Amino acid sequence: DIKMTQSPSSMYASLGERVTITCKASQDINSYLSWFQQKPGKSPKTLIYRANRLVDGVPSRFSGSGSGQDYSLTISSLEYEDMGIYYCLQYDEFPLTFGAGTKLELK
Amino acid sequence: QIQLVQSGPELKKPGETVKISCKASGYTFTDYSMHWVKQAPGKGLKWMGWINTETGEPTYADDFKGRFAFSLETSASTAYLQINNLKNEDTATYFCARTGFDYWGQGTTLTVSS
Repeated sequence: DIKMTQSPSSMYASLGERVTITCKASQDINSYLSWFQQKPGKSPKTLIYRANRLVDGVPSRFSGSGSGQDYSLTISSLEYEDMGIYYCLQYDEFPLTFGAGTKLELK
Repeated sequence: QIQLVQSGPELKKPGETVKISCKASGYTFTDYSMHWVKQAPGKGLKWMGWINTETGEPTYADDFKGRFAFSLETSASTAYLQINNLKNEDTATYFCARTGFDYWGQGTTLTVSS
């Protein structure tokens, strides 16, 4: 199984700050990576697919990058509504595997 | 609009069986396979497997082989997750999501307790 190592596990950031979350796969996943945001009591919301493609309706302050084993999600200027838990998912191979999550909180 | 609507919360005893539904609307059901994801309380997301909505063939992740069963009622655009011989560790929220993970159900909370 492909292991997804996500970091940090939690972080505090200020409004307007640039935030980066990373996921490292245990092998090349050919950019088959999505990023999700989850808020308490809600289902995950897809932000990015295929490593860098923004889902329609997702604010442009979110961006994804990376290739091979290394991927990142960046929020260019943090807004209050961005608080939540972020997960990466690789879908290059079965079984699909998620990162452990990054809890983003307001400083 | 596209929606995946799941059945309501369940409270079951160990050893019982539960069947959770996921009704799709707003798109052609058989165009997208359906995935199931488990989230234990306070924990992360875990992929359980998927079902091909054209053929009905299910694929299970290793941790979900044996007591878990995916099925379809294509005429009703509905996918099902059945869990047999429930255990306390099955307590979780279960999500359905169509292939691409662009649309998710709202989640079904299952509590297993004697």
